[in-house]
Amino acid sequence: GENVEQHPSTLSVQEGDSAVIKCTYSDSASNYFPWYKQELGKGPQLIIDIRSNVGEKKDQRIAVTLNKTAKHFSLHITETQPEDSAVYFCAARDGNQFYFGTGTSLTVIP
Amino acid sequence: SAVISQKPSRDICQRGTSLTIQCQVDSQVTMMFWYRQQPGQSLTLIATANQGSEATYESGFVIDKFPISRPNLTFSTLTVSNMSPEDSSIYLCSVGTGKGYTFGSGTRLTVV
Repeated sequence: GENVEQHPSTLSVQEGDSAVIKCTYSDSASNYFPWYKQELGKGPQLIIDIRSNVGEKKDQRIAVTLNKTAKHFSLHITETQPEDSAVYFCAARDGNQFYFGTGTSLTVIP
Repeated sequence: SAVISQKPSRDICQRGTSLTIQCQVDSQVTMMFWYRQQPGQSLTLIATANQGSEATYESGFVIDKFPISRPNLTFSTLTVSNMSPEDSSIYLCSVGTGKGYTFGSGTRLTVV
């Protein structure tokens, strides 16, 4: 089955700086890659996603890049704000099943 | 995207008892899933809830321990049976729509 690895596990940045979280996957058949943000006490919320026929997608301060050849995708958050502090999960979909990364705890320091 | 109402949001239960978690969606969805998230960990798929047939369980999860109902396209329940402290986790339902996959807010279960 699919194996998704996520790095780093923790990340601290100063407010206004950029944050980058990286994930790799193993199954070339995976074709959909969402990113979720989970705040304390809440369920994961989809923040951005990318399909395998696209190399990059941007939504305001958030962008995701995908390199199918290398089987890795990354989340980029620019101009970070304290409210960006949360745990972020990447995932890869193979068929109908999702495989999640282990999560990155992002702290934005005011 | 679909809006999911999950109940209860949290509970503290005695070992050996059972808890049923409900997931209500504001629209009809084909795919409904149940996940477990242990403290500080990632999400693990328990099963896919199929409407009109038995749920499909992932390796390590069995129907006797986690019975699932899916009576229609907007509702599902997950029961955690004969609970032990190791079952303390967050349980989440998720649905897939044409706009992506959405999660409920989760049920934080503590077994004492």
